[in-house]
Amino acid sequence: GAVVSQHPSWVICKSGTSVKIECRSLDFQATTMFWYRQFPKQSLMLMATSNEGSKATYEQGVEKDKFLINHASLTLSTLTVTSAHPEDSSFYICSARGLVAGYYEQYFGPGTRLTVT
Amino acid sequence: AQRVTQPEKLLSVFKGAPVELKCNYSYSGSPELFWYVQYSRQRLQLLLRHISRESIKGFTADLNKGETSFHLKKPFAQEEDSAMYYCALALYSGGYQKVTFGTGTKLQVIP
Repeated sequence: GAVVSQHPSWVICKSGTSVKIECRSLDFQATTMFWYRQFPKQSLMLMATSNEGSKATYEQGVEKDKFLINHASLTLSTLTVTSAHPEDSSFYICSARGLVAGYYEQYFGPGTRLTVT
Repeated sequence: AQRVTQPEKLLSVFKGAPVELKCNYSYSGSPELFWYVQYSRQRLQLLLRHISRESIKGFTADLNKGETSFHLKKPFAQEEDSAMYYCALALYSGGYQKVTFGTGTKLQVIP
């Protein structure tokens, strides 16, 4: 089946530093990738959507200069949290959408736990 | 704007009892609705979609446009069904699909 991987699984960084999270679709081409944020015991909140080769579209309230998204290929998207602060600590989940077995579906990565100290 | 509502944060049922996880949506167009499941320590995965009208792991969900509902049902709950369940609505915007998730319902099946 279709698999989406994320790296790293968890990361701890100091306040003011930047962190990059990778999202890869391993056996299908992802025409669209999504980045979500999930707070404890809450639902997923869509941060941004990116199509391969074009700029990401950010949801209202999400700072595009803080959360840089690059979707350079059909199998890779990256989220960079710039100048991270403790309030950015969260669980970040990526999702890739592509044609698999005749259906366009979203497949989710396992998530990345970011802790900013 | 589209919205998905799951009124129950937690639903506890005994093994063998029927299960119904509620989902209501608000959207003016023709929705595409899904149920996703997240088992403990696992990633979110698609359970079923309304357009395929299929039964997965004994679960079914019928889209009721009149009541704007897409409730998930299973006649006999199993312990392995314990998980978080998210209802989701997909729409196309700007040439791509955007999915809105409900807040989720935790299903706890008591042995």
